[in-house]
Amino acid sequence: KAGVTQTPRYLIKTRGQQVTLSCSPISGHRSVSWYQQTPGQGLQFLFEYFSETQRNKGNFPGRFSGRQFSNSRSEMNVSTLELGDSALYLCASSLYRGEYNEQFFGPGTRLTVL
Amino acid sequence: AQSVTQLDSHVSVSEGTPVLLRCNYSSSYSPSLFWYVQHPNKGLQLLLKYTSAATLVKGINGFEAEFKKSETSFHLTKPSAHMSDAAEYFCVVSYTNAGKSTFGDGTTLTVKP
Repeated sequence: KAGVTQTPRYLIKTRGQQVTLSCSPISGHRSVSWYQQTPGQGLQFLFEYFSETQRNKGNFPGRFSGRQFSNSRSEMNVSTLELGDSALYLCASSLYRGEYNEQFFGPGTRLTVL
Repeated sequence: AQSVTQLDSHVSVSEGTPVLLRCNYSSSYSPSLFWYVQHPNKGLQLLLKYTSAATLVKGINGFEAEFKKSETSFHLTKPSAHMSDAAEYFCVVSYTNAGKSTFGDGTTLTVKP
């Protein structure tokens, strides 16, 4: 079974631009979560989608948004990019939102904002 | 609210010696606890998970962790370190129906030859 895939793997943007990252979960997984990883802040939860609905949201500004499609694929969008948005963005999928919420992570998208 | 504290940001051991990575958690509910490993430029890989079945949990690559409710701890151990164990390790707490996991700050494990 294929793992979680994220595209693109690397991205370079300039301040003020917007960016869209994509995540394809493991087949059959319905929950997709997004995390931002930076050296200074560590791994921080962005949001979680389940059955096309955002179920949980972390403490990030409204510039960060996402959505989930009927096939469980998810996209994350960051508008008006800032230098501090440079990070590794990780997507994780899990089978459901019940107990034992084991998450499977993709390799991440490394975003550099210049 | 839930939180995780990894007590050591860096741990250095010699190859062949035991590894101990410490994690304390705080959770208002019965938690699910996980340890993940991240090798450089790679995603996170699940090492093991505690889900209220057995308090001593065995994971991959010889790692294990013991859930101690009285101490709110979930320390990760390995009897004998290997060079390939050098990586960053994350302790994670989640709870039923949350869909959101809280990560510790990570512990960087260095293994010296």
